[in-house]
Amino acid sequence: QVQLVESGGGVVQPGRSLRLSCAASGFTLSSFAMNWVRQAPGKGLEWVAVISYDGNNKYYADSVKGRFTISRDNSKKTLDLQMNSLKGEDTAVYYCARRATITSFYFDFWGQGTLVTVSS
Amino acid sequence: QSALTQPRSVSGSPGQSVTISCTGTSSDVGGYNYVSWYQQHPGKAPKLMIYDVNKRPSGVPDRFSGSKSGNTASLTISGLQAEDESDYYCCSYGGSYTLVVFGGGTKLTVL
Repeated sequence: QVQLVESGGGVVQPGRSLRLSCAASGFTLSSFAMNWVRQAPGKGLEWVAVISYDGNNKYYADSVKGRFTISRDNSKKTLDLQMNSLKGEDTAVYYCARRATITSFYFDFWGQGTLVTVSS
Repeated sequence: QSALTQPRSVSGSPGQSVTISCTGTSSDVGGYNYVSWYQQHPGKAPKLMIYDVNKRPSGVPDRFSGSKSGNTASLTISGLQAEDESDYYCCSYGGSYTLVVFGGGTKLTVL
């Protein structure tokens, strides 16, 4: 069965960096675009970034552009999110989510999330 | 402020029907048939309930249905059950620049 397992969350000071990972299993990762979506405590969902199936195309929300970098290693079946210059407003649960098909825009599988807390 | 507008809360009694609206613009909801809906129980990951406006993934009860008119999409839950009490989020493709936009979420209470 499809599984997405995030890791790497924790408490980090403002201005510092953190790297999140998402381990994929139960499907062929190289066939799917992958996303990061976050949710601040008590708030709604916010799309963060997407990477194409082959890693050649990447897009970011304006709120993280220039600070976050999405990447993938299909051979290792992992998706990463490098987060630099972290701010308090980046505090959230970060989910990796699979884009279901190339012809539509929805997320059919989600990980359980990893919490990032930016605080001094 | 979220890009898509949802009511903060809705409620209904068991067996009744409720509809949750999701209002966007012609650049997102109104421009594409790429509206999806997610259910999220507290502390859990979101779960896909509806995609491409009105399609249901395998395993989602047919009590859940989706529709769209102009810039507003809707999720209707008929025959409400206690386990439907949850937060619901709409989502839409937002074009080549914005890509993905979510609604602010709606808390459904089953009375």
